[in-house]
Amino acid sequence: EAQVTQNPRYLITVTGKKLTVTCSQNMNHEYMSWYRQDPGLGLRQIYYSMNVEVTDKGDVPEGYKVSRKEKRNFPLILESPSPNQTSLYFCASSLTGGPGNTIYFGEGSWLTVV
Amino acid sequence: TQLLEQSPQFLSIQEGENLTVYCNSSSVFSSLQWYRQEPGEGPVLLVTVVTGGEVKKLKRLTFQFGDARKDSSLHITAAQPGDTGLYLCAGSGGSYIPTFGRGTSLIVHP
Repeated sequence: EAQVTQNPRYLITVTGKKLTVTCSQNMNHEYMSWYRQDPGLGLRQIYYSMNVEVTDKGDVPEGYKVSRKEKRNFPLILESPSPNQTSLYFCASSLTGGPGNTIYFGEGSWLTVV
Repeated sequence: TQLLEQSPQFLSIQEGENLTVYCNSSSVFSSLQWYRQEPGEGPVLLVTVVTGGEVKKLKRLTFQFGDARKDSSLHITAAQPGDTGLYLCAGSGGSYIPTFGRGTSLIVHP
């Protein structure tokens, strides 16, 4: 089954404690991306990757890091989480980054930073 | 970043009613997509439109891309409780980064 898998689904952590949200896709997609979704603000892109070893900042990259060492994986790293990073996070992938490609989303990761 | 404005932001209707959701921008898009997100899940693609004036139908859902490719609408006929969810439009222009609207939250009451 074609899917985007992210873990953990739910996490409560404390300010400053480094954490990683993993993301893996099994569709051999070149393009992967991370979004955060907040009430009233919609989906905002954090980082995206056009292919292995190619990453770029999205609209809200501050406080986040990513890496793309393998095509299937695109982890999101919060080096020193803060309460304003409490949000619902989605990993997504598409065949390429071109217009009109279907974007496949993971089920989301609820992160609370206290 | 190209901006997409969706309206209305919230919609609460009774089963059987019709509704229209709008997605507007001052920018031209080469393609526009509509996604539906149900509670606890990620968004799922409903349709992609690429030609100005294009109309696509998906059962009771009708999608239209504006002639100038700056706007789109989603019309639902005889809404059902299963249509409840967040409807998101996403536009792709010259860059490879799709822009999402803030969404329209629809509740259909039995």
